Amino acid sequence: GDSVTQMEGPVTLSEEAFLTINCTYTATGYPSLFWYVQYPGEGLQLLLKATKADDKGSNKGFEATYRKETTSFHLEKGSVQVSDSAVYFCALRITGTASKLTFGTGTRLQVTL
Amino acid sequence: DAGVIQSPRHEVTEMGQEVTLRCKPISGHNSLFWYRQTMMRGLELLIYFNNNVPIDDSGMPEDRFSAKMPNASFSTLKIQPSEPRDSAVYFCASVLTGANTGELFFGEGSRLTVL
Repeated sequence: GDSVTQMEGPVTLSEEAFLTINCTYTATGYPSLFWYVQYPGEGLQLLLKATKADDKGSNKGFEATYRKETTSFHLEKGSVQVSDSAVYFCALRITGTASKLTFGTGTRLQVTL
Repeated sequence: DAGVIQSPRHEVTEMGQEVTLRCKPISGHNSLFWYRQTMMRGLELLIYFNNNVPIDDSGMPEDRFSAKMPNASFSTLKIQPSEPRDSAVYFCASVLTGANTGELFFGEGSRLTVL
């Protein structure tokens, strides 16, 4: 079945450090890929997405590139801030499955001063 | 516009009691999803509706769980009887299927504690 695997957290970084959160997927069809972010006490919200191979999604300084050859969608940011502390979820949606998303387990990011 | 509204935000109950969680999706959205989030299992899809019809309930853990969507603006998730292992945060999410954005809009969640 379809699945998403994320690196385990927590990831602890100092402010202005470079961030990478790894995400790989297994899918029987042609998925769209997403990163969602969950701030403390809140629901998930969409951070960025990519709908086909080699697409790059970007938002708020975060980027991720859809790599079909490695079935990956790693999240990166060049300089993290304390306000980026949250849980990040990688997710996929198979075309034609009516917006049903399959999520990874989430990676907690803690950014310190 | 109001987002997805869930109630209650927090619920503490005793084992064996009935629990009802409520969700009001974003107006105009035609698909609604119930997710459960725990530390051990992460985010699990329990059930989703399209145009008020349950499409996939394979994630509902057992017969103690039931969900309804009597109209486009309201859904409930009921647990009867509740057990301590049901303690989790339950999220409702909605989307306009066909808009092709894939963006689910989540509520703030209902944190359930079963003692």
